[in-house]
Amino acid sequence: QSALTQPPSASGSPGQSVTISCTGTSSDVGGYNYVSWYQQHPGKAPKLIIYGVSKRPSGVPDRFSGSKSGNTASLTVSGLQAEDEADYYCNSYAGSNNWVFGGGTKLTVL
Amino acid sequence: EVQLVQSGAEVKKSGESLKISCKGSGYSFTDYWIAWVRQMPGKGLEWMGIIYPSDSDTRYSPSFQGQVTISADKSITTTYLQWSSLKASDTAIYYCARKPPFASSGYHLDYWGQGTPVTVSS
Repeated sequence: QSALTQPPSASGSPGQSVTISCTGTSSDVGGYNYVSWYQQHPGKAPKLIIYGVSKRPSGVPDRFSGSKSGNTASLTVSGLQAEDEADYYCNSYAGSNNWVFGGGTKLTVL
Repeated sequence: EVQLVQSGAEVKKSGESLKISCKGSGYSFTDYWIAWVRQMPGKGLEWMGIIYPSDSDTRYSPSFQGQVTISADKSITTTYLQWSSLKASDTAIYYCARKPPFASSGYHLDYWGQGTPVTVSS
């Protein structure tokens, strides 16, 4: 199956909010409430920040929130901080024990 | 503490075989699936496949079916990713990651290994 579609880049100033979209199809994002988001800093392993569309793991700041409408999921980072500068990847269950990632979005804090 | 510790960096030649590992600790190893994820240089994450170490039930992404083999040895809480004949295009960082049980709505990867860089020269 094809990768989910994310914008290659996003940016915002400290304190602002930024939203990253993740568009799939009715076979993945639209078909299941199993979208997750991962943050990856340079040279580091990815880290889970959102699962089940909108749930946050323990320890993840509530500045990170997730939502979904139809075939598009979104990650919103509020109150941007310098440490939020990273790559962000969405992931969705696609049925039959298969999953698909988005292409990734590089978030720059201006 | 949950940990996934991967084997070290590898440098190989095209045509050679390779098996890299991911050792889990700090949790009930047979209750969770382990996924393997590829990240080519400067590129995004790609889902390769997933294994349930309890019975070695394995599911491959269509893109990787037949290209790699995922296996597990539950006696030593370790999963493996292997190639029989490497290509230069296999150069990437490979991550293992833990997936919680489906019964607890586990459709995400909650803990990740540190990654194993693999370099294949032609």
